[in-house]
Amino acid sequence: GENVEQHPSTLSVQEGDSAVIKCTYSDSASNYFPWYKQELGKRPQLIIDIRSNVGEKKDQRIAVTLNKTAKHFSLHITETQPEDSAVYFCASRTGGYNKLIFGAGTRLAVHP
Amino acid sequence: NAGVTQTPKFQVLKTGQSMTLQCAQDMNHNSMYWYRQDPGMGLRLIYYSASEGTTDKGEVPNGYNVSRLNKREFSLRLESAAPSQTSVYFCASSWGGQEDQPQHFGDGTRLSIL
Repeated sequence: GENVEQHPSTLSVQEGDSAVIKCTYSDSASNYFPWYKQELGKRPQLIIDIRSNVGEKKDQRIAVTLNKTAKHFSLHITETQPEDSAVYFCASRTGGYNKLIFGAGTRLAVHP
Repeated sequence: NAGVTQTPKFQVLKTGQSMTLQCAQDMNHNSMYWYRQDPGMGLRLIYYSASEGTTDKGEVPNGYNVSRLNKREFSLRLESAAPSQTSVYFCASSWGGQEDQPQHFGDGTRLSIL
């Protein structure tokens, strides 16, 4: 079955720096890749997603890139702020329906 | 709109007890999902319901059963709780079908089994 690996597991940056989180997937048929942000004790919330017919997508300080050949996708956060501190999860859609397989998560800490 | 509502928010059970976690959504979504979240393991799909009247197993279905009561409600039942089922359980919903649609999550149920 599909497997999603996410790196790094923890990431610490200074406010204003950039942060990059990378994920690899195993199923070449996967075609939808969302990213979720989860603050402590809260629900996961979608922050950005990308489909397999697109190589890059941006939304203000957040961008996602997809390399289908290498089967990896990355989340880029620029000009990080303390409120970006959270756990970030990547996911890959597999199967005929909207079944998501999640990575193990990256705990991002942004220090003022 | 409340979105996805889960009850209860917290529960403590003894080994062997049974329990049903409730989930309801008011977004007229077709598909609903149950996940468990354990430290360091992300979210793992237990069961999902692509549409009203259908349910299918996810990655970790053993020890659980589900019921899609109607389009709004999708419940998760633990028939004989075990300590390994201590986890945070999230319900989610989406428009579903063959389209790629974001999943919207509830606030979770924190379940401890002693």
